[in-house]
Amino acid sequence: SYELTQPPSVSVSPGQTASITCSGDKLGDKYACWYQQKPGQSPVLVIYQDSKRPSGIPERFSGSNSGNTATLTISGTQAMDEADYYCQAWDSSLYVFGTGTKVTVL
Amino acid sequence: EVQLVESGGGLVQPGRSLRLSCAASGFTFDDYAMHWVRQAPGKGLEWVSGISWNSGSIGYADSVKGRFTISRDNAKNSLYLQMNSLRAEDTALYYCAKVRFGRDYGDADFDYWGQGTLVTVSS
Repeated sequence: SYELTQPPSVSVSPGQTASITCSGDKLGDKYACWYQQKPGQSPVLVIYQDSKRPSGIPERFSGSNSGNTATLTISGTQAMDEADYYCQAWDSSLYVFGTGTKVTVL
Repeated sequence: EVQLVESGGGLVQPGRSLRLSCAASGFTFDDYAMHWVRQAPGKGLEWVSGISWNSGSIGYADSVKGRFTISRDNAKNSLYLQMNSLRAEDTALYYCAKVRFGRDYGDADFDYWGQGTLVTVSS
């Protein structure tokens, strides 16, 4: 079965850039999306179709996808961005979520 | 305003059944495929099942195939998940999720999620 692997944790200082990777076989041939989940809350879609932002998502969130890796970048990270982040893709008629990354803003 | 409200969770013994419901409002329900996603306590997201607008295409995760059945009633703007032969590993918060675009079961992302309903499988 298809797997998407993320680093368990990423730490970033306020105002700096956080990059979260999502690795999967030929992931660049598929669409990747990203969800943010804060403690006790439901997931929120922050990036879809590799690099598009839904309405209401700040411009500091951006995405890319090439080769075997999709990347979510948070520029000018704010304390409110501290959360778990999950990538997701579609493979063989199934929906696959990444293992999740906890972003800590120090 | 889009709203998805799940219900039907609770404590159930292993081997028993439970039926979850999701009441949708604020959008044209039969214009979208719908899904169930679960999250075990302290763990990540796991897709469970999805259904096209007319119930013509349905998919299940391998972990629930043959035990869970997804359905929808467009007249009632509702999504369901019938869960049979429940196991301890099915313990999770179950979310109802709407696809961002499209009626069909296929490549998609989820733009609205409910608050979830907790299912606990334990003797």
